[in-house]
Amino acid sequence: GAVVSQHPSWVICKSGTSVKIECRSLDFQATTMFWYRQFPKQSLMLMATSNEGSKATYEQGVEKDKFLINHASLTLSTLTVTSAHPEDSSFYICSARPPRGARTDTQYFGPGTRLTVL
Amino acid sequence: GQQVMQIPQYQHVQEGEDFTTYCNSSTTLSNIQWYKQRPGGHPVFLIQLVKSGEVKKQKRLTFQFGEAKKNSSLHITATQTTDVGTYFCAGPSRETSGSRLTFGEGTQLTVNP
Repeated sequence: GAVVSQHPSWVICKSGTSVKIECRSLDFQATTMFWYRQFPKQSLMLMATSNEGSKATYEQGVEKDKFLINHASLTLSTLTVTSAHPEDSSFYICSARPPRGARTDTQYFGPGTRLTVL
Repeated sequence: GQQVMQIPQYQHVQEGEDFTTYCNSSTTLSNIQWYKQRPGGHPVFLIQLVKSGEVKKQKRLTFQFGEAKKNSSLHITATQTTDVGTYFCAGPSRETSGSRLTFGEGTQLTVNP
């Protein structure tokens, strides 16, 4: 299956700093990537849909100025958590969707980034 | 908005027992997907069902898509400790072009050896 990588796999930062998370599709071009947040023992909550070359589409309740998304190429999307606070501590997971015309519209998930804000 | 519900939330079984998780959508789905997330890991795609009434098998796992395309189930026969994890169903959102997925709450399976 398709491979999606995320970097870093975990990060600890001080309150008020910004953290950038990278999501890469390694063996296919992804015009669409998704960013999820998962709190312990909960389901995946979609934060935003990242489209290559255009602005991301944010879900209701997600602050676009706090969670900056950039999808500058067909294989890379980045999520920047600006001025992070302890309540932003979570497991952030990206996924990538194969391009239109592919046999399936399944999403391939990255390994996730565990963010801890002190 | 679209809701996808899963039951049970937790299931503890003895190794060798069967396990079933049920998924229900508030709207008709074009397809339904199942994912498995091991403890500390990320979701891994298991299967996609598209046709009404479709049944697919993967070794000890049997997936069903309801006739009305609003519900689905995952059944595991003779569970093993390697089956431990959380099983999520997900369906495409109807509010957009369908590329977004709405995930169920998941069923967390633990298997006692």
